[in-house]
Amino acid sequence: AQSVTQPDIHITVSEGASLELRCNYSYGATPYLFWYVQSPGQGLQLLLKYFSGDTLVQGIKGFEAEFKRSQSSFNLRKPSVHWSDAAEYFCAVGARGGYQKVTFGTGTKLQVIP
Amino acid sequence: DTAVSQTPKYLVTQMGNDKSIKCEQNLGHDTMYWYKQDSKKFLKIMFSYNNKELIINETVPNRFSPKSPDKAHLNLHINSLELGDSAVYFCASSQEVYEQFFGPGTRLTVL
Repeated sequence: AQSVTQPDIHITVSEGASLELRCNYSYGATPYLFWYVQSPGQGLQLLLKYFSGDTLVQGIKGFEAEFKRSQSSFNLRKPSVHWSDAAEYFCAVGARGGYQKVTFGTGTKLQVIP
Repeated sequence: DTAVSQTPKYLVTQMGNDKSIKCEQNLGHDTMYWYKQDSKKFLKIMFSYNNKELIINETVPNRFSPKSPDKAHLNLHINSLELGDSAVYFCASSQEVYEQFFGPGTRLTVL
């Protein structure tokens, strides 16, 4: 079964600074990988996804993530954070083939300070 | 148009009661899910249906029973509510394992 680890529970960055949120997964092959964002009181929204091909994927709101097979990682980055990016971020991994479940990480809460 | 909708948004009830949460998606997706998010934001899948057929059934108490009358609807009925059932319940839909679209959540509080 797949698993995903987000080692940072809480991250604080200054507005305008760069951001990197870490995600490590465990799966026997190349999985499907996702990043979701959850604003307070809201449901989850997909930021980006990796299925195959180019290992650097672009998403909405200026986010990108890089799939590194050798490190089993799929870190999320943004070059300049805006105050509206403050939210909870979830990395998720899905198994290939059939209707397999997607497993979510425990989330990283991003705080943005002026 | 709301892609995935849930009702109600808030649900406050007493221990021992029975309650239902409804979910509807208008995306034409074949697969729908129920997740439970606890107070620490941990998101755990409970059930998944594909074309009205149960395909994922995690270790969930028998008091929880999903029902899918058609592929656009997935309801969750909870019997004999307990304090530990307090959480936010999210419905989601997807086309196979591709990106899941989440509803706004139902915050259940059991007193």
